[in-house]
Amino acid sequence: EVQLLESGGGLVQPGGSLRLSCAASGFTFSSYAMSWVRQAPGKGLEWVSSISGSGGNSYYADSVKGRFTISRDNSRNVLYLQMNSLRAEDTAVYSCARTVRGAISGVNWFDPWGQGTLVTVSS
Amino acid sequence: DIQLTQSPSFLSASVGDRVTITCRASQGISSYLAWYQQKPGEAPKLLIYAASTLQRGAPSRFSGSGSGTEFTLTISSLQPEDFATYYCQQLNSYPYTFGQGTKLEI
Repeated sequence: EVQLLESGGGLVQPGGSLRLSCAASGFTFSSYAMSWVRQAPGKGLEWVSSISGSGGNSYYADSVKGRFTISRDNSRNVLYLQMNSLRAEDTAVYSCARTVRGAISGVNWFDPWGQGTLVTVSS
Repeated sequence: DIQLTQSPSFLSASVGDRVTITCRASQGISSYLAWYQQKPGEAPKLLIYAASTLQRGAPSRFSGSGSGTEFTLTISSLQPEDFATYYCQQLNSYPYTFGQGTKLEI
């Protein structure tokens, strides 16, 4: 069974840093791109970042570019999100998701998603 | 960036109803669109990918259609467990944007 389990969330002051982890199991981790998505309390979904299976390519939303860094350890099957210079507007549940690419269509989709970890930025 | 606009934002319906949710993209995205269902306190769940392909395990009452800039998610006969929030997502190009969501209520 494919499973994704996030950890590392918590309360942090504005300007602080936090590193989130996503432990993956049940599939060949290095064969899949992975993504982070966040959801502020009572709000919709916001894509944050994605990284290729090898880790060689990464992409970011403008709202986090220059402050967040996505990475992965394929030997340990773990995805990371290093978050620096945190702001109040970064408060959200952060979820990781496996990015699946259709073999024939080349179309991507996110499946499955982890339950998420809550990050609260407040003084 | 590609913007996705879902309509309606809120939808009131009854068990057994046929409902349709629309997702419009600000520019063409071919069939690079997915639909997700999210219930309170739960992670989003994939329903449809590539605009019209039903995810394995998703009920057959869900269907997706469209290409280019206009897409629809249809539930043929609402069941009690379908009351949730639905999101579309474009995966044509980064940033992978989501629609604002459609909350389906009784």
